[in-house]
Amino acid sequence: SYELTQPPSVSVSPGQTARITCSGDALPKKYAYWYQQKSGQAPVLVIYDDIKRPSGIPERFSGSSSGTMATLTISGAQVEDEADYYCYSTDSSGNYYVFGTGTKVTVL
Amino acid sequence: EEQLVESGGGLVQPGGSLRLSCAASGFTFSSSWMSWVRQAPGKGLEWVANIKQDGSEKYYVDSVKGRFTISRDNAKDSLYLQMNSLRAEDTAVYYCARARLLDYWGQGTLVTVSS
Repeated sequence: SYELTQPPSVSVSPGQTARITCSGDALPKKYAYWYQQKSGQAPVLVIYDDIKRPSGIPERFSGSSSGTMATLTISGAQVEDEADYYCYSTDSSGNYYVFGTGTKVTVL
Repeated sequence: EEQLVESGGGLVQPGGSLRLSCAASGFTFSSSWMSWVRQAPGKGLEWVANIKQDGSEKYYVDSVKGRFTISRDNAKDSLYLQMNSLRAEDTAVYYCARARLLDYWGQGTLVTVSS
């Protein structure tokens, strides 16, 4: 079955840049989506179609994709950005979806 | 304002059945793909299933194929997940979400499979 691989954790100081990668064989042809999940809450979409940001999401969140890797960047990370982040995409068929393994971002 | 509210979770014995519901409001439900996602305690997110606007296409993760059925009632703006032959590993919070890009989520309903 298809898999998306993320680093388990990323740690940055406030104001620094956090980068979270997501690796998957189908990513050259399929969009990546990114979700933020704070403790005890439902996930929130922060990036869609590789690079687009939904309304209400701060500009410090950005996405990119190159080859088999998609990246979520938090520029000038804030303490309130501490959360688990998941990438999400579909396999080559376009019908079956999968989440990445998740990355815990710590800002301290 | 878009809103999704799940219900129907609870404690069920292994081998039992449960039907989850998701009531949608604030958007045109009949125009949206809909999805179910689950999260086992302390674990990551897992996509479970999705269904096309008219119900003509349905897709499932391998681990629930043949046991779970996704359905919808566009007249009632409601999404369902019928879960049969439940196993301990199905224990999770189940979320419904709008579309395949999951742009809006409910708060989830907890399903516990235990004897």
